[in-house]
Order: sequence, then structure tokens, then C-alpha cells
Amino acid sequence: GAGVSQSPSNKVTEKGKDVELRCDPISGHTALYWYRQSLGQGLEFLIYFQGNSAPDKSGLPSDRFSAERTGGSVSTLTIQRTQQEDSAVYLCASSLGGGGAVYEQYFGPGTRLTVT
Amino acid sequence: AQRVTQPEKLLSVFKGAPVELKCNYSYSGSPELFWYVQYSRQRLQLLLRHISRESIKGFTADLNKGETSFHLKKPFAQEEDSAMYYCAGSGNTGKLIFGQGTTLQVKP
Repeated sequence: GAGVSQSPSNKVTEKGKDVELRCDPISGHTALYWYRQSLGQGLEFLIYFQGNSAPDKSGLPSDRFSAERTGGSVSTLTIQRTQQEDSAVYLCASSLGGGGAVYEQYFGPGTRLTVT
Repeated sequence: AQRVTQPEKLLSVFKGAPVELKCNYSYSGSPELFWYVQYSRQRLQLLLRHISRESIKGFTADLNKGETSFHLKKPFAQEEDSAMYYCAGSGNTGKLIFGQGTTLQVKP
């Protein structure tokens, strides 16, 4: 079946502009995660959605970052007023998730964001 | 704070040599530990998890609670093992805390 997909694959934006990154999880997966992969910081957790529960936003680096998940499926990560330090690869993952059990996470190909 | 540490950024070995990628963790409770791998131009994928105790592509990893380690080992490295390897830990929410990653380079 189809894996996790992300769009766009590459995004170049000017400092100060807003960007939206999209993630389509595997159908039926209730858990969705966003991570950021950057040279200086490695792979960092950003935010986690599980079903209808309130998201775990503990990894968001600033209030310029937000995410939503509509209808328990597609998710959008929004970065407002982008800064150069936001340049990174943004990864989305999904899993069957929930209930206190830990399921395998399946990762998307990522969106490479470059802020000029 | 929860932390996963991979002390080596780069590990370079010759084909056929043994490989050990180090991982140490600091977690409250009983975390689940994983190794993820990213081959060139491919997406991040799960290699193995401690709870399953299986060997994947000849790799094994043993959880040592006394030393809080989860080192990844393979007795004979192959060129196709060249990749970036990430150790990760998870509490019961499933969110992963990753180490900094180790690039494994297997030379012919």
C-alpha cells in the first residue's frame, strides 16, 4: 500500500514568510508525528497527534510553529515568519499508535525547507 | 530529561570487519529502544527494536539496563550496510527521542 507522503518535497522561502508543509499518513494510522532533521540538532521531535486527543506540542521550538490534523488524517505544519535557523528537513511519521503500546513509525520522504 | 547519546559521528570499517555502533540512554521508567537506518536517498526506516529481540540484516542489539546501553552490532560488515544509523528511545506515547546519528562507512 501507499506509504506516508509529504509535500512539497522542497521549499525555498524568504526570511519572514509563512510556509505550510503537508503530511498524508498511512490510511488507518491514528498516530502522526512531526520531526525535524537539521545538521546542528540531529533529529528532533516536534509534535504528536493521537486520535482525538489533544496533541503533544512539547517539541515545538517556538510559537511560530503550529500544526493541525484535520479529520484524523492529513496534517499541516505551519511555520510563521520563517527564520534561517528553520532551514531543515521536516519529517512526518505515522503509526497504528495509541493505548500505551508503542508501534513502529513509518516515515515520509521529508520536506526540505530552505530559508534564504 | 530523556536523552539518547551516540558518541560517534562516523564509524569507518573495512568489509568483513565487525561493527559496533554505540548508544547510551537516559530515561525514566522502562523505555523502548530502537535502531533506525537511513540509506542514501531513502527514507528513515526501522531496523530493529529491543522488544522483538530479532536479528535484521545480520544486526543485533542487546539492551543492557545496568550500563543503560543499546549498542548495535554486526559480526561481518557489508558495503551495503553503509548508511546513517540512529538510536532512539520511546516512552509510552510513542514519540521518539533520537541520538545524533552515526554514519557507518564500509570500505571495500
